[in-house]
Amino acid sequence: DAGVIQSPRHEVTEMGQEVTLRCKPISGHDYLFWYRQTMMRGLELLIYFNNNVPIDDSGMPEDRFSAKMPNASFSTLKIQPSEPRDSAVYFCASSFQGYSEAFFGQGTRLTVV
Amino acid sequence: GQQVMQIPQYQHVQEGEDFTTYCNSSTTLSNIQWYKQRPGGHPVFLIQLVKSGEVKKQKRLTFQFGEAKKNSSLHITATQTTDVGTYFCAGHLWGYKLSFGAGTTVTVRA
Repeated sequence: DAGVIQSPRHEVTEMGQEVTLRCKPISGHDYLFWYRQTMMRGLELLIYFNNNVPIDDSGMPEDRFSAKMPNASFSTLKIQPSEPRDSAVYFCASSFQGYSEAFFGQGTRLTVV
Repeated sequence: GQQVMQIPQYQHVQEGEDFTTYCNSSTTLSNIQWYKQRPGGHPVFLIQLVKSGEVKKQKRLTFQFGEAKKNSSLHITATQTTDVGTYFCAGHLWGYKLSFGAGTTVTVRA
């Protein structure tokens, strides 16, 4: 298996633009997590899914953020409109079961100017 | 805010020395996981502890889970330059919500 795949690896966008981050979890994994990493706040859990259903989105900072998982092999995290303070590395991770280890993708480095 | 606390935030170590990083939770954890993130990389799973008082070793790394399942530690002996990176503990809070500590960033002086 190729592991968790995220795209794009880097994204530079202007303030106010819509940004969509993509994630393909490991096949067979039932849980998918979206994290945001910054120097100030560390690794923050934004939302997680179980069997494509959002379970906990309490970490989503604002209504500008939304996440979907239309099927078991694909998830998106959308920011609309983007702001400079959204600049961070966004990681997607998946796990086989609820308490098992999480496998992280390479991350998307987002810069909003 | 973060429910899983980790100290110290930074650890500067002379090559060959030992060090320990500590993790504490305000609530009892079902398990504790440890991850390592190299500079510019992504977190990579190291180990999971489940039982109260559990101790596991991986070569020069020793992981402990507290008796009350609220704290954990990672001890590295004879630090090497390959140990550089940030070490995170993570716990499942409220169901399967995997929350990470702030991490301990380790630098090594050769």
